[in-house]
Amino acid sequence: NAGVTQTPKFRVLKTGQSMTLLCAQDMNHEYMYWYRQDPGMGLRLIHYSVGEGTTAKGEVPDGYNVSRLKKQNFLLGLESAAPSQTSVYFCASTRTGGSEQYFGPGTRLTVT
Amino acid sequence: GNSVTQMEGPVTLSEEAFLTINCTYTATGYPSLFWYVQYPGEGLQLLLKATKADDKGSNKGFEATYRKETTSFHLEKGSVQVSDSAVYFCALSEDSNYQLIWGAGTKLIIKP
Repeated sequence: NAGVTQTPKFRVLKTGQSMTLLCAQDMNHEYMYWYRQDPGMGLRLIHYSVGEGTTAKGEVPDGYNVSRLKKQNFLLGLESAAPSQTSVYFCASTRTGGSEQYFGPGTRLTVT
Repeated sequence: GNSVTQMEGPVTLSEEAFLTINCTYTATGYPSLFWYVQYPGEGLQLLLKATKADDKGSNKGFEATYRKETTSFHLEKGSVQVSDSAVYFCALSEDSNYQLIWGAGTKLIIKP
């Protein structure tokens, strides 16, 4: 049971480049989330999904897009990376009726 | 809106000392409360939780009691170990989409 996995673990982008972060969970969870973690600011919700084919904006959605084509996968895209998007990105999931969120190990992204 | 406030870190203690990390919250209803822990280089994992007033969550020697009258959920441990060094996050959930509102995190450093 792998839980929540994220790829890649590390990435360096130049300003203006694009990339996609992949999150996968094998727990059959309905809800999935993308967060960014910046020093001294805790976690901030970027986008979330309440089920396959649905997505919604969180607290800081600008500059990001997401897709949930399959229940087990939640993709986070950066169309034109900016230095302000340098951060650690975490994916999490939870089941319907659950309260605990299960987290992936994170992706450290640096935009130069 | 809902919010979570944690004491600022870092908190530095000697091994076997008593630990308290303060957490207070504001919420319109009756949230569930959580403590998550993040060890260096890892994702977050649930440490303990409480879902209603006067509940006590406990795990790995840590405890926190849901105090509605003081809107608090302070984390305590009687005797800390070096292996407890990590960042601790307080969070609340009051949302039908199981979204979590996060505190900024408190870094705990335990010296041998």
